Amino acid sequence: QQQVKQSPQSLIVQKGGIPIINCAYENTAFDYFPWYQQFPGKGPALLIAIRPDVSEKKEGRFTISFNKSAKQFSLHIMDSQPGDSATYFCAASNDYKLSFGAGTTVTVRA
Amino acid sequence: DSGVTQTPKHLITATGQRVTLRCSPRSGDLSVYWYQQSLDQGLQFLIQYYNGEERAKGNILERFSAQQFPDLHSELNLSSLELGDSALYFCASSVGLLTDTQYFGPGTRLTVL
Repeated sequence: QQQVKQSPQSLIVQKGGIPIINCAYENTAFDYFPWYQQFPGKGPALLIAIRPDVSEKKEGRFTISFNKSAKQFSLHIMDSQPGDSATYFCAASNDYKLSFGAGTTVTVRA
Repeated sequence: DSGVTQTPKHLITATGQRVTLRCSPRSGDLSVYWYQQSLDQGLQFLIQYYNGEERAKGNILERFSAQQFPDLHSELNLSSLELGDSALYFCASSVGLLTDTQYFGPGTRLTVL
């Protein structure tokens, strides 16, 4: 079964909008939460990651928010651009094994 | 470019056959991971090797096996192939055993007819 639940399955925003992707987990042993970006025909590429002792992390236009008590975390893409159109996967790591969410296809319209 | 290479890029074979997928990790990385990506199952962790030894197992079928060689490249062997084995197979690598950041290769697309 999916250890990390990700939503929505897909979303479309206009350029400059803020797509938000949400993930939830049950296993409290998870201690590392990365986000991966995947373009068609390519492998997933690490975008940004957070540990449970931090509630927010920003890297460029990408922000992770983490709510440990709710066991939820989310990715915000600020000022989104057409080049951000890709599939985004959240993941959680326990003993260095990554469990991935089902993925969200983001389309940014010009 | 992540620095992880995988060959071949595409593989088409028939049910019942056996194939070998190859992965070269980034220079200096000792850990190699294999993942399967399919439409219905998403990205699933299969197995991890560290410096030649198996360290963790995920949802890997008994028909599948892997190994990591002294030069650190790894091979994933898939045998008695079934239609449902058609998927993208990714290799990832990381610096050490206790390293969270994994770098993914471009994948091998396997089609079983």
